[in-house]
Amino acid sequence: DMKVTQMPRYLIKRMGENVLLECGQDMSHETMYWYRQDPGLGLQLIYISYDVDSNSEGDIPKGYRVSRKKREHFSLILDSAKTNQTSVYFCASSLSQGRGNTLYFGEGSRLIVV
Amino acid sequence: AQSVTQPDARVTVSEGASLQLRCKYSYFGTPYLFWYVQYPRQGLQLLLKYYPGDPVVQGVNGFEAEFSKSNSSFHLRKASVHWSDWAVYFCAVSMKDSGTYQRFGTGTKLQVVP
Repeated sequence: DMKVTQMPRYLIKRMGENVLLECGQDMSHETMYWYRQDPGLGLQLIYISYDVDSNSEGDIPKGYRVSRKKREHFSLILDSAKTNQTSVYFCASSLSQGRGNTLYFGEGSRLIVV
Repeated sequence: AQSVTQPDARVTVSEGASLQLRCKYSYFGTPYLFWYVQYPRQGLQLLLKYYPGDPVVQGVNGFEAEFSKSNSSFHLRKASVHWSDWAVYFCAVSMKDSGTYQRFGTGTKLQVVP
């Protein structure tokens, strides 16, 4: 069953708290991504992971870090969350780095930082 | 910068009418282009994708898109819109920098009225 699963789906945190967003996929995909979605801005790439312990910054990596210790699992960490990190975060995966590969998305994690 | 632009933030069409959603790309070289759809409270799902070759691409649910190099465009079309097409549509281009990822437009919200 081809699926990307994100946890938690909804999260409210206070400014300065740490946040852990988790993503799993059951397709043995090599490449995984974290995007954030904000009104009027579309999806912006935070980080890419090409495989276990092989991660690369995207367009907006500041304030975020990632961890990928197993191929099927990719975490996004916010150390000391800020109010401007309130957003919907999407995890995605693709078979490999091929340019024509489809991205498969999770249902999103809605984070509110107060 | 290499990117895609969706000039229409919102489009309203009558059920049964035809539809065109616009996407302009800026890319050095041969682009690989995608259209995704996002239904409420869900992640993005692939509608169709363009590889270099036939400029008209067929997708799911009666959608098609036409690639135009001369116009730098990849517009999405549907002959007869259904109420269930109410969603947000994203155009994306596959980027090849240090790695491969997709860069998204800001999205077009499609509203279908009776």
